[in-house]
Parts: sequence; structure tokens; C-alpha cells
Amino acid sequence: GIQVEQSPPDLILQEGANSTLRCNFSDSVNNLQWFHQNPWGQLINLFYIPSGTKQNGRLSATTVATERYSLLYISSSQTTDSGVYFCAVGYNTDKLIFGTGTRLQVFP
Amino acid sequence: DAGITQSPRHKVTETGTPVTLRCHQTENHRYMYWYRQDPGHGLRLIHYSYGVKDTDKGEVSDGYSVSRSKTEDFLLTLESATSSQTSVYFCAIGQGAGNTIYFGEGSWLTVV
Repeated sequence: GIQVEQSPPDLILQEGANSTLRCNFSDSVNNLQWFHQNPWGQLINLFYIPSGTKQNGRLSATTVATERYSLLYISSSQTTDSGVYFCAVGYNTDKLIFGTGTRLQVFP
Repeated sequence: DAGITQSPRHKVTETGTPVTLRCHQTENHRYMYWYRQDPGHGLRLIHYSYGVKDTDKGEVSDGYSVSRSKTEDFLLTLESATSSQTSVYFCAIGQGAGNTIYFGEGSWLTVV
């Protein structure tokens, strides 16, 4: 099956800094989603982005399907951005495979 | 927020007892999923449903069964709970491949 690797596993930032999170996958995908899990455990869908670039406020994501990676950019980070970011992928299926996540801590 | 309710939210049970977790949605989404989350593993799919009475296995289905008798309800049953099934269980809903999925708030299960 498809393997998903996320990097870095942990990231510590000061408020206002920018960051880039990476998701590498081992095979073709046509379904890729980014999620944020807040410190209370709630999982929020950030982007559905099997290819191309999308932006939502301070967050943007780019997926280069031919090179099998996706990037999540967080600009001007805030303490509320803290939590774990997951990438999930699939191909011609609704069974998503999740990476193990990047844990982000933003300090004031 | 998507209308997804999981119950119970927290449960402690003894090894060998049956446990049923319920996921209820008000969005009329066709697809429903059960995931478990464990440290170091991210989220792993247990079972999913693509319609009433239509279910399929995920990555980690051993020891679990599911049922979906109505569009809005998806039940996950541990027939005989084991300590390895201590985990956080998340229900999710979606419209199928090519669409975003939405998660419930999770159910914390401890098997002692």
C-alpha cells in the first residue's frame, strides 16, 4: 500500500515565524487532504488538494503529484496554530492513509 | 461544523467485555468511517461504510465489527475488548472519493 511520510516530526516556533511542513508519498494519489488536530483532540480539515496550490488565510498548500509530495505553509504563526498536522492520501479510493503527523508548538 | 456525534465520549471497560461505540450524523453523507489513533501511528482505518448495510474492512479490522442499518448511524463493536484496543476512536463522514472528510470529536476508550 501507499506509504506516507511527514517531516519534520516536531517543530517549535515563536509567534510570527513561518514554517513549511512536508508530506511525501510512495505512489500515485488522486486524493490528498491536510488536517489539523488541536490540543483538545479535534480534527479539522484544512485542505483537499490532490494537485496544485490553494490558500486559506495564513495557510497555503501545494501538491506536486508527479513528484509525490505536498507542502503545507503556515505564515505568521500564532499560538492557536499549535497541534498536530496530518497529511492523508488515497488513490481511486475513499480509504485514506494517514501519515504520523508533524507536531507544531508555537510559543508567544 | 459537520453534524457528527460520537457516544460515549469516554469509557473504561474490562478486558473481555463487549463495547459498542456509536457515530451519528445529520449530514446525510453516504460514507462513514471508523479510525483509531495511537501514539506513533497516526490514524488508521478500522472499517468504513459506503451505504446502508454496505461495509468494508480497513487496515486494522481484526477484533472489530461494524453495522449500518440507517444512513445516519454507524456502530463499531468490540466483541471482546482487549488492552490493545485502548485507543482514541474517531468517526468520520464524507461524500466519497474526491471529497473532504469530516471527523467527530473522538471517543476515548480504556480497556483495563
